Amino acid sequence: DGGITQSPKYLFRKEGQNVTLSCEQNLNHDAMYWYRQDPGQGLRLIYYSQIVNDFQKGDIAEGYSVSREKKESFPLTVTSAQKNPTAFYLCASSPGQGREKLFFGSGTQLSVL
Amino acid sequence: KQEVTQIPAALSVPEGENLVLNCSFTDSAIYNLQWFRQDPGKGLTSLLLIQSSQREQTSGRLNASLDKSSGRSTLYIAASQPGDSATYLCALTGSGNTGKLIFGQGTTLQVKP
Repeated sequence: DGGITQSPKYLFRKEGQNVTLSCEQNLNHDAMYWYRQDPGQGLRLIYYSQIVNDFQKGDIAEGYSVSREKKESFPLTVTSAQKNPTAFYLCASSPGQGREKLFFGSGTQLSVL
Repeated sequence: KQEVTQIPAALSVPEGENLVLNCSFTDSAIYNLQWFRQDPGKGLTSLLLIQSSQREQTSGRLNASLDKSSGRSTLYIAASQPGDSATYLCALTGSGNTGKLIFGQGTTLQVKP
């Protein structure tokens, strides 16, 4: 059953803590993306990767980091430098350079304790 | 800078009504435009993708149109059902980049039985 899996579904972060959100896809897609969604706002791009071992900053990359060591995995770390991390985080992938339909995971809700 | 706007933010209609959701954008130099559906607390599902050279796309009761010259796209839903209740987002890819989507804030639709 192909798709994108995000984990965990809910995550809580303590002050000064780094947390990592997982995103795995078995669609053999080259491109992967991380978006942040806040209530009443559209999605904003954090980071994206078009090929293994390469990634680019999106519009709101400050306070976040990523890696793309494997084609199927694109984890996102929310660092302590991100002062307002509470949001719904969505991972997506697409076959080529993102000019096709995007496929989304089910999201991770991150909250600050 | 490209901006994508969806009005209204929320819409409530009785079951069976035909309805139109609007999406406007400021720069007509786009590569494609997608319409997504999002259920509460879930990821996004791609409904329709329109390439810049196309005028419309249809899938079942859904029809999406694109008018680049006026900077508008519409999503037409025929014979609405309670199961259509969700948030609908439009997003576009600019012609100059490689897959970065710019999202509108979404229209939350409620179809009442």
